[in-house]
Amino acid sequence: QVQLQESGPGLVKPSETLSLTCTVSDVSISGYSWSWIRQPPGKGLEWIGYIYYSGSTNYNPSLKSRVTISVDTSKNQFSLKLSSVTAADTAVYYCARDGLNWYFDLWGRGTLVTVSS
Amino acid sequence: EIVLTQSPATLSLSPGERATLSCRASQSVSSYLAWYQQKPGQAPRLLIYDASNRATGIPARFSGSGSGTDFTLTISSLEPEDFAVYYCQQRSNWRTFGQGTKLEIK
Repeated sequence: QVQLQESGPGLVKPSETLSLTCTVSDVSISGYSWSWIRQPPGKGLEWIGYIYYSGSTNYNPSLKSRVTISVDTSKNQFSLKLSSVTAADTAVYYCARDGLNWYFDLWGRGTLVTVSS
Repeated sequence: EIVLTQSPATLSLSPGERATLSCRASQSVSSYLAWYQQKPGQAPRLLIYDASNRATGIPARFSGSGSGTDFTLTISSLEPEDFAVYYCQQRSNWRTFGQGTKLEIK
């Protein structure tokens, strides 16, 4: 069964860089695009960006200046870096596959990242 | 940026009733619209893609319709497990989500 698992620090200090990794199991990362999506506590969903397995990326224009998504096909992983974080970046961060007709058909369980000193 | 506006914000219904959820786009997204269901503490689940196609394993009571700027998710007869938050999402231009409709038990 295909699984996605987010990992990384649950607490990040303001102005620092948030770093998360998504490990994909039981399916090759090749041939798909892979996204990061976040959800502040009690709020809605926000798409952060996606990376194609070849390495090409597209980012949410509102976050583009602070976001970097990368892929490591040898490890079947992709990663998120979000710089200069503030309390507004506190959220559950999900990784997801842009699969069925380029919609998010597989999701990780999500990981809560809190920005606080 | 394409803005998706969902209505109503909250819908209170009883099991067995019919639910109709709406999603309106600020500009045409053609049929590039999906619906997701999210339960507390869980990741969203894809229900409908390309406006009217059910994803794998989704019961037939869920149906989607619409094109352009106006879309509808219909649940024909509510089961207890259907009470959740529903989001629409477009992929016509980048990716954006609606703000969600909470379907609660009356």
